[in-house]
Amino acid sequence: EVQLVESGGGLVQPGGSLRLSCAASVSDFSGYAMSWVRQAPGKGLEWVSGITGSGDTTYYADSVKGRFTISRDNSKNTLYLQMDSLRAEDTAVYHCANYGSGSYYNDVYYYYYMDVWGKGTTVTVSS
Amino acid sequence: DIVMTQSPDSLAVSLGERATINCKSSQSVLYSSNNKNYLAWYQQKRGQPPKVLIYWASTRASGVPDRFSGSGSGTDFTLTISSLQAADVAVYYCQQYYSNVNSFGQGTKLEIK
Repeated sequence: EVQLVESGGGLVQPGGSLRLSCAASVSDFSGYAMSWVRQAPGKGLEWVSGITGSGDTTYYADSVKGRFTISRDNSKNTLYLQMDSLRAEDTAVYHCANYGSGSYYNDVYYYYYMDVWGKGTTVTVSS
Repeated sequence: DIVMTQSPDSLAVSLGERATINCKSSQSVLYSSNNKNYLAWYQQKRGQPPKVLIYWASTRASGVPDRFSGSGSGTDFTLTISSLQAADVAVYYCQQYYSNVNSFGQGTKLEIK
């Protein structure tokens, strides 16, 4: 069974940067698409970004496009989220999640639902 | 992008009674090529990460009690808990995966009346 552990959260000033990591304990990490989902204090879930198993295709929510970069190192079984130009509204618990399956359609890989989640790491953007 | 809207925002139901949560997508999440609705439901209990309950709009995930059921197609979906238990107190979210830019509903908080 896949287990996910996030790290790298903390307090950062507006305009600053932070890199989150998600360590996965799974035998075939490269076979799974992954995502980052955040939850602001007292608010609902917000999907942030997704990446295919090979890492060659990435997707972003409009709210973070151009500021956040998702990547992965399959040799280290680790997912990353580089967050730049941080704003107060980026304050949240950031969860990584695993897409258990997906399929190709017209040469595009479509991932499905998220079936394993990490407990999250907290990011606070404040001066 | 696809916008997901849930109703109601909160719900209080007596133990043993039925709870119904609705989810509407801004465009159809039904793929005609395989006749599947790309819609999942998640449960999040206080202080825990979300847990998938239902996928393909109506398929229960492994280990999910059969009092949970999902229905609907196209743009309108429903999560039903047939007989509410104390353990079901949580926030419930729908999510579309029709687009690789996924999106969630705003959540429905379910409490005991």
